[in-house]
Amino acid sequence: EDQVTQSPEALRLQEGESSSLNCSYTVSGLRGLFWYRQDPGKGPEFLFTLYSAGEEKEKERLKATLTKKESFLHITAPKPEDSATYLCAVQESSSNTGKLIFGQGTTLQVKP
Amino acid sequence: DADVTQTPRNRITKTGKRIMLECSQTKGHDRMYWYRQDPGLGLRLIYYSFDVKDINKGEISDGYSVSRQAQAKFSLSLESAIPNQTALYFCATSDPGRTEAFFGQGTRLTVV
Repeated sequence: EDQVTQSPEALRLQEGESSSLNCSYTVSGLRGLFWYRQDPGKGPEFLFTLYSAGEEKEKERLKATLTKKESFLHITAPKPEDSATYLCAVQESSSNTGKLIFGQGTTLQVKP
Repeated sequence: DADVTQTPRNRITKTGKRIMLECSQTKGHDRMYWYRQDPGLGLRLIYYSFDVKDINKGEISDGYSVSRQAQAKFSLSLESAIPNQTALYFCATSDPGRTEAFFGQGTRLTVV
């Protein structure tokens, strides 16, 4: 069964304190792995797509990496405005539905 | 204006009532999806549609129905609402040529 697990569930950082969020996945074949940001009361906002092991993508203070079993979202010198819930999702390669399988999310709080 | 618009944003309804959630998009995407988000469970797929004549059930379709009125409009109905359908509902769209999905702002539904 396809599955996505994110850890930790919650993370509290001081401003400037770098850290990483983990997304472990089990899927028969990977079409793509996605990272989204979700602010309270809003819909998920697309951040990155990763397609193959070894791939990396960056955007401002965020860097996403991918291996065959997991992905990391590295946050370098975070600011309070980076506080949000970060969602990881996978798309299975044999399916043409576009269906996303989501993890439960990691809620990040960055204190000034 | 948002590319994916959901109405209403918030709704409280009584057990047994019929309710419709609406989604419209200006992205020109053929594929549209309805997801449900519950705390600790992540987002789960309810229904998806590839075009006006192509409607498919997702993993949790029981108790829900959908209508694709046009390429840009996809509605979700709860025929007889029950309290465990209290959740955040998100509409999403995607382009078959790309893998990422784009989400609306969500509808917070409470069934009392």
